[in-house]
Amino acid sequence: EPEVTQTPSHQVTQMGQEVILRCVPISNHLYFYWYRQILGQKVEFLVSFYNNEISEKSEIFDDQFSVERPDGSNFTLKIRSTKLEDSAMYFCASSEARQTNYGYTFGSGTRLTVV
Amino acid sequence: AQKVTQAQTEISVVEKEDVTLDCVYETRDTTYYLFWYKQPPSGELVFLIRRNSFDEQNEISGRYSWNFQKSTSSFNFTITASQVVDSAVYFCALSEAAAGNKLTFGGGTRVLVKP
Repeated sequence: EPEVTQTPSHQVTQMGQEVILRCVPISNHLYFYWYRQILGQKVEFLVSFYNNEISEKSEIFDDQFSVERPDGSNFTLKIRSTKLEDSAMYFCASSEARQTNYGYTFGSGTRLTVV
Repeated sequence: AQKVTQAQTEISVVEKEDVTLDCVYETRDTTYYLFWYKQPPSGELVFLIRRNSFDEQNEISGRYSWNFQKSTSSFNFTITASQVVDSAVYFCALSEAAAGNKLTFGGGTRVLVKP
């Protein structure tokens, strides 16, 4: 069964450093997403991406965050200058189409720890 | 605005007992989709079920069953004859057709099944 692959599974970074989280969506999927889950809390939407541009973003997704699809396979989330409160599990997801009834596949997540 | 509430933060049962997880949602959209995800201790999000707002037929799949009631805006989930491997956090989620594929998650219910 096709998978969404995220790397690394765990990243530790110092406060103020830039970090890039990587995702390889399912190959025929067109819509890509990042979600965040602070430890012990609910999963929160960050951003959706289609046709090489952001289609929607949440209030969490401020100027410190950016997304990119640098080639035909990777989808990245960059945090420019990490803060302690950015420590969370970050999930990438992809879907075939915009409509939800086409379903959604999540990656296994990257646990980011900012120290 | 869409909202999902899972009033139960934690449920503890002994193996073979049934467990019912409550989910109440709010939406102004007439077309929407409801989901249940399981998050085991390893952290990944495992898709369990998706229902659209036009399909109130309840379903049983193995030890899992779902009760969708539009009149009370509830989408409850039951595990029958629980097993230790069912121990996880369970998230209910909602997506409005007008909002594309963006998921709004509830706060999750931690299920602990003791042997």
